[in-house]
Amino acid sequence: DGGITQSPKYLFRKEGQNVTLSCEQNLNHDAMYWYRQDPGQGLRLIYYSQIVNDFQKGDIAEGYSVSREKKESFPLTVTSAQKNPTAFYLCASTLTGQGTNYGYTFGSGTRLTVV
Amino acid sequence: AQRVTQPEKLLSVFKGAPVELKCNYSYSGSPELFWYVQYSRQRLQLLLRHISRESIKGFTADLNKGETSFHLKKPFAQEEDSAMYYCALSGRYYGNNRLAFGKGNQVVVIP
Repeated sequence: DGGITQSPKYLFRKEGQNVTLSCEQNLNHDAMYWYRQDPGQGLRLIYYSQIVNDFQKGDIAEGYSVSREKKESFPLTVTSAQKNPTAFYLCASTLTGQGTNYGYTFGSGTRLTVV
Repeated sequence: AQRVTQPEKLLSVFKGAPVELKCNYSYSGSPELFWYVQYSRQRLQLLLRHISRESIKGFTADLNKGETSFHLKKPFAQEEDSAMYYCALSGRYYGNNRLAFGKGNQVVVIP
């Protein structure tokens, strides 16, 4: 069953801790993205990656880090430098090339809460 | 700068009434526009793309480059249309298939 899987569904973080959110896809998509969804703010891009071993900052990258060691995987680390990490995090993927955007496939999200 | 504006946060309509969600964009190049929908407890999913010019679940959207708009319309709202709707934009100069999203519209269809 093809798709994009995020884990865990819920994550609690203590102040000063780093946590890593997992995102895995078996769609053979080239590009992967991390968005943050806050009420009334829409979706804001954190990081994205077009190919393995390469990634770019999005609009709100401060306090986050990523890696792309495998095509299937794009984990997001929320570091202690992120001042307001409580949010819903969405991972997405898409095919690239051919001059058009096919639209994204989204994961089901991870809700991160700082306690 | 690439920007997507959805002016109304919350839209309440009666079942059977028409619904229109407004989306305006700012982009200097050739845009690709999308509507995404998020039903309660479900993941965000693509509703329609302007390039495919299709009608999904009775919804249509026409790209108006003169007015820089991509409004979503449905002539007769159904209860199952209650959801969060996001307009999104990408373009060649925005780069790399990045999507810029609006802040979303919460639609509530009243039985």
